Amino acid sequence: DAGITQSPRHKVTETGTPVTLRCHQTENHRYMYWYRQDPGHGLRLIHYSYGVKDTDKGEVSDGYSVSRSKTEDFLLTLESATSSQTSVYFCAIGDSMNTEAFFGQGTRLTVV
Amino acid sequence: AQSVTQLDSQVPVFEEAPVELRCNYSSSVSVYLFWYVQYPNQGLQLLLKYLSGSTLVESINGFEAEFNKSQTSFHLRKPSVHISDTAEYFCAVSPSNTGNQFYFGTGTSLTVIP
Repeated sequence: DAGITQSPRHKVTETGTPVTLRCHQTENHRYMYWYRQDPGHGLRLIHYSYGVKDTDKGEVSDGYSVSRSKTEDFLLTLESATSSQTSVYFCAIGDSMNTEAFFGQGTRLTVV
Repeated sequence: AQSVTQLDSQVPVFEEAPVELRCNYSSSVSVYLFWYVQYPNQGLQLLLKYLSGSTLVESINGFEAEFNKSQTSFHLRKPSVHISDTAEYFCAVSPSNTGNQFYFGTGTSLTVIP
């Protein structure tokens, strides 16, 4: 998986609690992404980063924040989890512009 | 705005039969095109991509896709499928003006029947 580690791989949390998902890469790629995958919706971009401390919103960013303080780490935070955020979350990385994205194994998050 | 449409959510096909998974996109700028495959409980793996040059691109496991600019399509084909091809397939586009963002279709579940 191109040197991408997502943690945790599975998490169950209660509504209203904060949650942080971590993506760690060993490829020194410039671009990092967070997607969520839901049945019938495919993958939708939450946030992405184009460098350290450089991030931007994707199409479904409400309720999520991100941080990238080092090239290798990209954190996704749900400030106050809701049941609608139950999903599988994928981190991806990319090197050169518009070439391809490499995906991690995913984190299955359940909000009860 | 960009959008990717995969017209078939599920495609059952018998082993050794041909298959075509359809993908259409809309974009006001030039795009780069990708097909990804996802096996159960795994992440997405790149199957093939079109960046420039020949409009017909091939993968190492027998899949091919053809970029048709006039029809804004990038359909995926395989002349003879195997049981191991059973998976979810996603088409994706990366417009040339969006700073390396990727937009995905809703996926096609291919089931190969013995």
